[in-house]
Amino acid sequence: GAGVSQSPRYKVAKRGQDVALRCDPISGHVSLFWYQQALGQGPEFLTYFQNEAQLDKSGLPSDRFFAERPEGSVSTLKIQRTQQEDSAVYLCASSTLKGGADTQYFGPGTRLTVL
Amino acid sequence: QKEVEQNSGPLSVPEGAIASLNCTYSDRGSQSFFWYRQYSGKSPELIMFIYSNGDKEDGRFTAQLNKASQYVSLLIRDSQPSDSATYLCAATRGGGGADGLTFGKGTHLIIQP
Repeated sequence: GAGVSQSPRYKVAKRGQDVALRCDPISGHVSLFWYQQALGQGPEFLTYFQNEAQLDKSGLPSDRFFAERPEGSVSTLKIQRTQQEDSAVYLCASSTLKGGADTQYFGPGTRLTVL
Repeated sequence: QKEVEQNSGPLSVPEGAIASLNCTYSDRGSQSFFWYRQYSGKSPELIMFIYSNGDKEDGRFTAQLNKASQYVSLLIRDSQPSDSATYLCAATRGGGGADGLTFGKGTHLIIQP
């Protein structure tokens, strides 16, 4: 079946611009996660949704970052007034919620470059 | 502060040998542990998960967990050039379906033909 998809794959923004990154999870997956991966680093957790509810946003680095999943499927990560330090790959992952060690499946990521 | 530590490498291993990748974690509440492989420019893909102390084998891969020592490892037997990648260790307090993963920085593995 189809995996997690993300768009756009690449985004170049001028400092101060707003950007919106989209994630389409695997059909039927209840859980959706956003991560930020800087060059040479491991992914860092940003936020978690269970269906449409945002249950954890402890990893969002500032109030410029906002995520939503209004119908419990597609999610959008929005970054307002982008800064150079926001340059990174933004990864979306989805998972079932059966209990035990549910696997998070990652999308291809959106590479954001802020000039 | 939840931390997962890995040696960034590069770790160079001859083809056909055993590659040993190690990881330590600081959060004693961590229950589930995952090894992901990430090729350059690609997204992470799951290799194995483990949540019980001891060894877990899957083909050429063996994950080992020691909760008392807060230590996780991944062994790759009969290493192949296609195993060359960055290996990410991740931990979570829950099962992974309802908790964000805490990742290490990854170990860059090079398999020499």
